[in-house]
Amino acid sequence: QLVLTQSPSASASLGASVKLTCTLSSGHITYAIAWHQQQPEKGPRYLMKINTDGSHTKGDGIPDRFSGSSSGAERYLTISSLQSEDEADYYCQTWGSGIRVFGGGTKLTVL
Amino acid sequence: EVQLVESGGGLVQPGGSLRLSCAASGFSFSSYEMNWVRQAPGKGLEWVSYISSTGTTIWYADSVKGRFTISRDNAKNSLYLQMSSLRAEDTADYYCAVRGEFAIWGQGTMVTVSS
Repeated sequence: QLVLTQSPSASASLGASVKLTCTLSSGHITYAIAWHQQQPEKGPRYLMKINTDGSHTKGDGIPDRFSGSSSGAERYLTISSLQSEDEADYYCQTWGSGIRVFGGGTKLTVL
Repeated sequence: EVQLVESGGGLVQPGGSLRLSCAASGFSFSSYEMNWVRQAPGKGLEWVSYISSTGTTIWYADSVKGRFTISRDNAKNSLYLQMSSLRAEDTADYYCAVRGEFAIWGQGTMVTVSS
């Protein structure tokens, strides 16, 4: 079964960096994933797609502070120089034949 | 400007029906697969349904199979979700999104199922 696992919460200080993790279920570790940001009271926003080799394709207007990487079953979203507006829910998501799956989301708090 | 605009949400009684629409602009709608995604109040994102660019392939989440019908009109650059036999647990913001990686999102339309 295709499942994405995320930590429910994360926190980091203003100006610091944070690395969010999304783990693919066993048997699905070659899947690409996408990261989406949802700020409070707003709709989701596509950040980037991350391939198995760590290459990533960002959405239009996504700042360079956002980057992605990959290692085995894990896909990462790194946000550097944290700003207050980065406080949001972050969802990873993947897709295959017949299915699209979201992780449970990580609530990022900027201290 | 690339844009998706959902409409059609509202308050409906349990067992009722509702049709959502998603109007696309700024990109070649007919070339892309589309999806519906929903988010119940205070909950995470849940994929609802998929339709291929030509409309020949359609998938549904188990939670809506047999009750919801996705369709599209490429001549009108529009995507639809016909929802029937609605339940309280269908209450959510409904979003349309483009491609497998949901590279473009609409702003959402709220559906409330309540008596």
